[in-house]
Amino acid sequence: DAKTTQPPSMDCAEGRAANLPCNHSTISGNEYVYWYRQIHSQGPQYIIHGLKNNETNEMASLIITEDRKSSTLILPHATLRDTAVYYCIVRLLLSGSARQLTFGSGTQLTVLP
Amino acid sequence: EAQVTQNPRYLITVTGKKLTVTCSQNMNHEYMSWYRQDPGLGLRQIYYSMNVEVTDKGDVPEGYKVSRKEKRNFPLILESPSPNQTSLYFCASSLRGGRGYTFGSGTRLTVV
Repeated sequence: DAKTTQPPSMDCAEGRAANLPCNHSTISGNEYVYWYRQIHSQGPQYIIHGLKNNETNEMASLIITEDRKSSTLILPHATLRDTAVYYCIVRLLLSGSARQLTFGSGTQLTVLP
Repeated sequence: EAQVTQNPRYLITVTGKKLTVTCSQNMNHEYMSWYRQDPGLGLRQIYYSMNVEVTDKGDVPEGYKVSRKEKRNFPLILESPSPNQTSLYFCASSLRGGRGYTFGSGTRLTVV
């Protein structure tokens, strides 16, 4: 699986958009970008994933650059409950293998009141 | 409600006393996994299962056993726990080809 690089921490004002970057310059053509988050000591929570097109769901938007070497997770209106560690993971779609998701260090997002 | 249920949530035990952490999912998922999370080391996979009676080692399987006799259950067994197995444990499940893993709430194990 391709390695990812994320900033260790970010702050965001409540109600503003939180933009979390991720670099994955060694991503291969059939690898997806997944985002999970972990609120203090709870189980990680799936947020969104994408291959090359931008994706949006009820939680967030995922913007993947045209060369696919980086992506940005956008929480459009951050709330205090969005304070968590956010993990960007690059891997093959979950078919054919239950091999682990490799969680790096992630980005600690702190939403400030 | 679709969920992964782990029990117990907290457990303190003594070295060498066999224990089992249960994991059950109600989503008919084929894939199930166990992770441990330690400060500075992140989440590491212990064992995983791609279907009933199919299990395989993850990155840190030493000292652990698993079984998958039924699709919904994936217990983690520590035959002779040691203090270095003190950790936060998560069970997770996913559909084959699914969009992502659903994680349980975690089991905080302390071995003294």
